[in-house]
Amino acid sequence: DAMVIQNPRYQVTQFGKPVTLSCSQTLNHNVMYWYQQKSSQAPKLLFHYYDKDFNNEADTPDNFQSRRPNTSFCFLDIRSPGLGDAAMYLCAISGGLVNEQFFGPGTRLTVL
Amino acid sequence: GNSVTQMEGPVTLSEEAFLTINCTYTATGYPSLFWYVQYPGEGLQLLLKATKADDKGSNKGFEATYRKETTSFHLEKGSVQVSDSAVYFCALKFQGGSEKLVFGKGTKLTVNP
Repeated sequence: DAMVIQNPRYQVTQFGKPVTLSCSQTLNHNVMYWYQQKSSQAPKLLFHYYDKDFNNEADTPDNFQSRRPNTSFCFLDIRSPGLGDAAMYLCAISGGLVNEQFFGPGTRLTVL
Repeated sequence: GNSVTQMEGPVTLSEEAFLTINCTYTATGYPSLFWYVQYPGEGLQLLLKATKADDKGSNKGFEATYRKETTSFHLEKGSVQVSDSAVYFCALKFQGGSEKLVFGKGTKLTVNP
């Protein structure tokens, strides 16, 4: 059974039109991560939540925001998507005695 | 700072060939080491891990040994299959909830029948 669920798997938006990507988990792990992955590159960490504490990476643009209303869910909001924001967005979880991160299947974002 | 260096790809092999993907790391301290695999259009899947020196991680015929003396974690498989075609990422992480995964750039493997 999937531990990390991302919806939708494919998202198309228009230039400048806000978009929200969703991630949920079934393990109640306390850390949730959002990564951006462009073609032929390694994932790039945007930010993560440790419980309710939000930790932003220094080079994450202000255009990217996140919300974590409860342990199970985390959202990535892109306020004004540009063409350069087209990418795969990956959610991951970790927590407790578990050191590794478990990734979701990703959402492929296309910006027209 | 902490970093991971992987061999440049792409790597193309015939089915049943032996696979080695080199990975070395630079870190202050003793991180855990991971190999993740990414199939086309999918997220990353944890392939194997090792948490301390001389540990061997293994899964699905893949193996990697944590070598502190050479700061390496090379991925090997004795006989690859077409279904192993994917991108492989080596990564390190220190213990702790807010510690980040540090990825290598990834190595694309293509296995031909």
